[in-house]
Amino acid sequence: GQQVMQIPQYQHVQEGEDFTTYCNSSTTLSNIQWYKQRPGGHPVFLIQLVKSGEVKKQKRLTFQFGEAKKNSSLHITATQTTDVGTYFCAGLSISNFGNEKLTFGTGTRLTIIP
Amino acid sequence: GAVVSQHPSRVICKSGTSVKIECRSLDFQATTMFWYRQFPKQSLMLMATSNEGSKATYEQGVEKDKFLINHASLTLSTLTVTSAHPEDSSFYICSARDHGTGSYEQYFGPGTRLTVT
Repeated sequence: GQQVMQIPQYQHVQEGEDFTTYCNSSTTLSNIQWYKQRPGGHPVFLIQLVKSGEVKKQKRLTFQFGEAKKNSSLHITATQTTDVGTYFCAGLSISNFGNEKLTFGTGTRLTIIP
Repeated sequence: GAVVSQHPSRVICKSGTSVKIECRSLDFQATTMFWYRQFPKQSLMLMATSNEGSKATYEQGVEKDKFLINHASLTLSTLTVTSAHPEDSSFYICSARDHGTGSYEQYFGPGTRLTVT
């Protein structure tokens, strides 16, 4: 079945440093979504990318969707303590019957050293 | 924004008993709801897709007779863990999609932490 891998699994950065997590799917995706989960919390939607090669920005966060629609990245500039959490990419696949399925990546846990 | 609630947030039950978890979309109608489970420090694994008025679609390896899903209305889906065992202890999270927006964004509930003793 479809697999979505993320690297790195963990990332510790000094506050103010940049952070990047990479997401790779074994199959072509309809779209890619990114979620953030704080410790003890539930996933919160960040963004959705649909088009091949799409780039979207949200303040210090930059999201990219690969040309082949099989990989994606999230880059955070000048991290802050509020960025702590686990970042998941999630690939959307839609079957011929219209059934949708979101396959979550393995996640990257970000910790910030003040 | 769209809000999804789950109840209970935390439950402890004895081995062999059944537990029902409710998932509600509070300000939108959810034709489709999803049930995930998450083990500590791991990713979310989709268990089943719940469709209002029809049978749920279960992922490979998920026992439909053990994890009963009912989606009787456009705002409520329930997951019943039957004859629970300690290995069923996990964080169960539901999500819902607001088909009215045209977006595939899923809104997640706060989760239910199940501990089976």
